[in-house]
Amino acid sequence: QVTLRESGPALVKPTQTLTLTCTVSGFSLGTSAMCVSWIRQPPGRALEWLARIDWDDDKYYSRSLRTRLSISKDTSKNQVVLRLTNMGPVDTATYFCARTGCTSTSFYYIDVWGKGTTVSVSS
Amino acid sequence: QTVVTQEPSFSVSPGGTVTLTCAFSSGSVSTSYHPSWYQQTPGQAPRTLIYNTDTRSSGVPDRFSGSILGNKAALTITGAQADDESDYYCMVYMGSGISVFGGGTKLTVL
Repeated sequence: QVTLRESGPALVKPTQTLTLTCTVSGFSLGTSAMCVSWIRQPPGRALEWLARIDWDDDKYYSRSLRTRLSISKDTSKNQVVLRLTNMGPVDTATYFCARTGCTSTSFYYIDVWGKGTTVSVSS
Repeated sequence: QTVVTQEPSFSVSPGGTVTLTCAFSSGSVSTSYHPSWYQQTPGQAPRTLIYNTDTRSSGVPDRFSGSILGNKAALTITGAQADDESDYYCMVYMGSGISVFGGGTKLTVL
């Protein structure tokens, strides 16, 4: 069974860097065509795609947030880490990680979602 | 930057049929963008419904179908049920590793 679980702080202060971890099971981050995305959703608002890391360590970022985002993985620990710098109130959201198709034959879609973790930004 | 637009809200009667769409601010959505559709109820993670334009995800009832209608991706629900009342999001693959979600449609069944 494929699962993804997000973890990280529930509260961060403005200007701090948010670090979130996605721990996966049921598949390997090193297996061809296995990729993980991060998505967020501010309260009452739409989903926003943030970043993706591929099995071969290629990384991709939302154009609007690319200067603040970094994504990495530790295959041996089955973990993907997202960092978002210079946090502000507009970054208050539920953050999801998700297994994602990342080739033309895996159709670039999300097939398994984590439950999400809620992050608030406040001093 | 390309914006992906969806109807903000829609309503359908129980047993009725509704088509939600997903469009670009400029240009056409085609199968090349691999549109996918997700259903979300409040407080829950999204659920994958449709991928690669028209392929139903495992366990999704066949009353959900995906297509391209004109220059938009479309999600059609046939025989709407009360528990279809949810938010629906499309996602498209823009190339160069980047995907974008639409703004979502809030579907009411009444």
